[in-house]
Amino acid sequence: SSELTQDPAVSVALGQTVRITCQGDSLRSYYASWFQQKPGQAPVLVIYGKTNRPSGIPDRFSGSGSGNTASLTITGAQAEDEADYYCNSRDSSGNLHVFGTGTKVTVL
Amino acid sequence: QVQLVESGGGLVKPGGSLRLSCAASGFTFSDYYMSWIRQAPGKGLEWVSYIGSSSSYTKYADSVKGRFTISRDNAKNSLYLQMNSLRAEDTAVYYCARDRSGDYDIWGQGTMVTVSS
Repeated sequence: SSELTQDPAVSVALGQTVRITCQGDSLRSYYASWFQQKPGQAPVLVIYGKTNRPSGIPDRFSGSGSGNTASLTITGAQAEDEADYYCNSRDSSGNLHVFGTGTKVTVL
Repeated sequence: QVQLVESGGGLVKPGGSLRLSCAASGFTFSDYYMSWIRQAPGKGLEWVSYIGSSSSYTKYADSVKGRFTISRDNAKNSLYLQMNSLRAEDTAVYYCARDRSGDYDIWGQGTMVTVSS
């Protein structure tokens, strides 16, 4: 079972803001990264090192975190942002990697 | 361009073995850790294993430890996953990914492994 917990699904109106959260004790010690996955495609890194965006990722994606929670915020959601989103970090031992349970984002 | 291409997936019977390969191009393969990540049909992502840049360091998820072996050949820019004692629950798309401490910035397209009698 995953040590990182996400809400299964969220919805957002076109152009509005949505925050996706990831909770786990290991986040008190390790940064989270975030991945976007569209149907039939490989995941894409959208946030790394808690707050950093790879080149080519729109600036409407931002990351933050405090305590045992990491967050991914989409400010001004677009239709193309509809996807599954996964957080990733270390497990409680710090030796292994673990993905969150995933959040399906629907843009209305 | 920077690319990862997996191969070796297929249909195998429970208890059988399979070896996955991942060919890297467009970057200095030997500089990076690499990981295998899988996704069962309709399910979420599951990290499987990683290997250090010089093969000196490997880790495995508890679900595959003792059955799967990760390896690499830096001279051939290739990553491998030897999977033994396969179970139905190992059925998944297997991705290789360039691993920067869990920041998987490059992914392959995935290869499907089906374990069924």
